Amino acid sequence: EAGVVQSPRYKIIEKKQPVAFWCNPISGHNTLYWYRQNLGQGPELLIRYENEEAVDDSQLPKDRFSAERLKGVDSTLKIQPAELGDSAVYLCASSPSTSSGGNTIYFGEGSWLTVV
Amino acid sequence: QKEVEQNSGPLSVPEGAIASLNCTYSDRGSQSFFWYRQYSGKSPELIMFIYSNGDKEDGRFTAQLNKASQYVSLLIRDSQPSDSATYLCAAPNQAGTALIFGKGTTLSVSS
Repeated sequence: EAGVVQSPRYKIIEKKQPVAFWCNPISGHNTLYWYRQNLGQGPELLIRYENEEAVDDSQLPKDRFSAERLKGVDSTLKIQPAELGDSAVYLCASSPSTSSGGNTIYFGEGSWLTVV
Repeated sequence: QKEVEQNSGPLSVPEGAIASLNCTYSDRGSQSFFWYRQYSGKSPELIMFIYSNGDKEDGRFTAQLNKASQYVSLLIRDSQPSDSATYLCAAPNQAGTALIFGKGTTLSVSS
């Protein structure tokens, strides 16, 4: 079974430029998460989707970050414009529907962003 | 706001020793805990979860949960250099719909 797939793996951009990350979750997983991990820190939740609905985006900096999951499968996370402090690893993760009671989440390989 | 606390380390142990990784949490209502391993430059991978008080064993790994003390630990027996990684402790958030992670403990196993 394929795991969570993310692209691009690495991205270097200048500040004020836009960037987008793509994620394809594990087949059949209705719940999709975007986490951000800064160096030396644990992952921090940005947004959670149940199917196509964003049900928790309280930690997403909405002035510059946006996300979508139009058909309830793939998702895109966008930053526009990027700032130096956005340099981090952006981790996509998925899990079976939380209505099943399961909280185990499975991470993709991450998209490593460097803003210069 | 729930919190999950870990000592960032590094924790250094010789090959073959027992490595003990600790995690404390702020919410007495937390019911489940997860341990993820993260190699340098890689994403976190789940190694164990525990729901009940006491011990849960899986190969060389043992998770221990003490709800009264709000303490969860991970023991790695017969530590190998390949166990060198950062170990992240996680617990569900207030709504039980996402995981909150600690900062991770870096383990170094020397041969």
